[in-house]
Amino acid sequence: AQSVSQHNHHVILSEAASLELGCNYSYGGTVNLFWYVQYPGQHLQLLLKYFSGDPLVKGIKGFEAEFIKSKFSFNLRKPSVQWSDTAEYFCAVTSNAGKSTFGDGTTLTVKP
Amino acid sequence: DAMVIQNPRYQVTQFGKPVTLSCSQTLNHNVMYWYQQKSSQAPKLLFHYYDKDFNNEADTPDNFQSRRPNTSFCFLDIRSPGLGDAAMYLCATSRAGPQGSYEQYFGPGTRLTVT
Repeated sequence: AQSVSQHNHHVILSEAASLELGCNYSYGGTVNLFWYVQYPGQHLQLLLKYFSGDPLVKGIKGFEAEFIKSKFSFNLRKPSVQWSDTAEYFCAVTSNAGKSTFGDGTTLTVKP
Repeated sequence: DAMVIQNPRYQVTQFGKPVTLSCSQTLNHNVMYWYQQKSSQAPKLLFHYYDKDFNNEADTPDNFQSRRPNTSFCFLDIRSPGLGDAAMYLCATSRAGPQGSYEQYFGPGTRLTVT
């Protein structure tokens, strides 16, 4: 069975602070890893993804994530957050059979 | 623009009255998903179609059914909605397989209210 665990349920930061959101997954096969973001009033959209190759992947709006296979982790980072980054962030794993599992999400609030 | 469309955006139904939610896509993706999302929770996968193959999650209630008559359309049928079924229902699509990226494109969701 596949599962995803996000460590932080609610994070509050001031603008320009650095961000790191933890994500650990459990799955025995080949994984496709994702971070999705849901801005207030909008639908879920892709932030970044990892399939293979360079374990450090870059996404939109200055976000990046690092896949560490030995730790089954895929943590999301941003060096300097902005007020507009206020949103719900979901880590997800999708198997090659298409089955998808989401973490419980992290609500990020950035104070101006 | 290619997209995932869900209709209606808001649906109110009575307790026990069957309801159908629809999803269509212009992306020509081979996988379609239905999720249930309750307030402040993760999207919960109900089922997905990989091409024509239907994959039901073990904990999806029998009350929920799905149909995919063709590549573009997918329906969620709730046979006898209960108060606990009030939620946002999300449809998503992806391209899976050797040339696929598996990233999901989400529709705006249908907010279901059960009275």
